[in-house]
Amino acid sequence: DSGVTQTPKHLITATGQRVTLRCSPRSGDLSVYWYQQSLDQGLQFLIQYYNGEERAKGNILERFSAQQFPDLHSELNLSSLELGDSALYFCASSAPGLQETQYFGPGTRLLVL
Amino acid sequence: DAKTTQPPSMDCAEGRAANLPCNHSTISGNEYVYWYRQIHSQGPQYIIHGLKNNETNEMASLIITEDRKSSTLILPHATLRDTAVYYCIVRVGTGNQFYFGTGTSLTVIP
Repeated sequence: DSGVTQTPKHLITATGQRVTLRCSPRSGDLSVYWYQQSLDQGLQFLIQYYNGEERAKGNILERFSAQQFPDLHSELNLSSLELGDSALYFCASSAPGLQETQYFGPGTRLLVL
Repeated sequence: DAKTTQPPSMDCAEGRAANLPCNHSTISGNEYVYWYRQIHSQGPQYIIHGLKNNETNEMASLIITEDRKSSTLILPHATLRDTAVYYCIVRVGTGNQFYFGTGTSLTVIP
């Protein structure tokens, strides 16, 4: 158990809908990262937050957004969902400081029908 | 940005050492190399990381070449539970984001 929690574990929805994925980092960690893992692609970095502020952006679509709240939990919002958004979404957290080890949550499996 | 190259798959007999290579020829001088593994579709699990010295922990050993252009993860006594995809990772970009690459699918054979 990494100490990072993600809810829900599974999510099934329809095209065009909007969903919210939630992540709670390890105690004391200030950074939260979101990754997407599709069947035909590896783990792709989406976005990073540090203590409530956006720190870095990766291959995140404009239909996707994220935020980190004062209690440091984070939410990833996916809107206007398409079939191709079906994937595993992982959250990771790390302690303050450069080059800190990231610890990953169990993921949310999203299926868009 | 540094990237990594790993063989797509490897087999290892149970009880033997598994040696997983990784090339990271464009790594910069202050970048660490991280190793993670992913069992089925679970969240990636941290194994070990290093800068330039060899490292060992309860899970594995990490050997980094002197020029830092490649490294090898060693699982000293592989078990069936070590069957997983192993990722050699370096950081990219301005934050601490990881570049995962395609990893090595290790199969431990009874």
